[in-house]
Amino acid sequence: AQSVAQPEDQVNVAEGNPLTVKCTYSVSGNPYLFWYVQYPNRGLQFLLKYITGDNLVKGSYGFEAEFNKSQTSFHLKKPSALVSDSALYFCAVQRGNKLVFGAGTILRVKS
Amino acid sequence: KAGVTQTPRYLIKTRGQQVTLSCSPISGHRSVSWYQQTPGQGLQFLFEYFSETQRNKGNFPGRFSGRQFSNSRSEMNVSTLELGDSALYLCASSSPSYNEQFFGPGTRLTVL
Repeated sequence: AQSVAQPEDQVNVAEGNPLTVKCTYSVSGNPYLFWYVQYPNRGLQFLLKYITGDNLVKGSYGFEAEFNKSQTSFHLKKPSALVSDSALYFCAVQRGNKLVFGAGTILRVKS
Repeated sequence: KAGVTQTPRYLIKTRGQQVTLSCSPISGHRSVSWYQQTPGQGLQFLFEYFSETQRNKGNFPGRFSGRQFSNSRSEMNVSTLELGDSALYLCASSSPSYNEQFFGPGTRLTVL
């Protein structure tokens, strides 16, 4: 079964420091992986996706993610965190015509 | 290009009532999916419609139903509401390549 796991409920980072939000996947075949962000009282906003090709995927707002097949991971990264990056982040895998989401990770960036 | 719109944004109902939520996809998108978001269960897939046909359904009771119209607009209905149906209901429409889903702002349903 296709699934993703986000091992951290919350990540705290200081503004200006690099950030990483972790995601591991369990899929058969080639995974289609996604990251979404959700701000309070808002819907999900697409950040980036991995379908095939380069393992380093660049997305919106300076975010990037690295697909690592040997470690079955797809961690979200940003070189320098902003306070405005504070939000709820979801990793997801596409299973057929639907997305299967991880539990989500709250990112708090403190100034 | 306008994004995915959902109406209403907020809704308060009482147990036993029924509710209908509406979703208008991005122009040109023919696939519409619905998800339920709760603090306890997270984001769960409800169903997906394409060209007025339900293509996929999640593990929800029959009280949850949906439909899609010829203009791709979709509605979901929940009958005999229970307290546990209180959630944020998100609608997403898909690009033709189906590699990306665009989400609406959601409808916050509170069941009292």
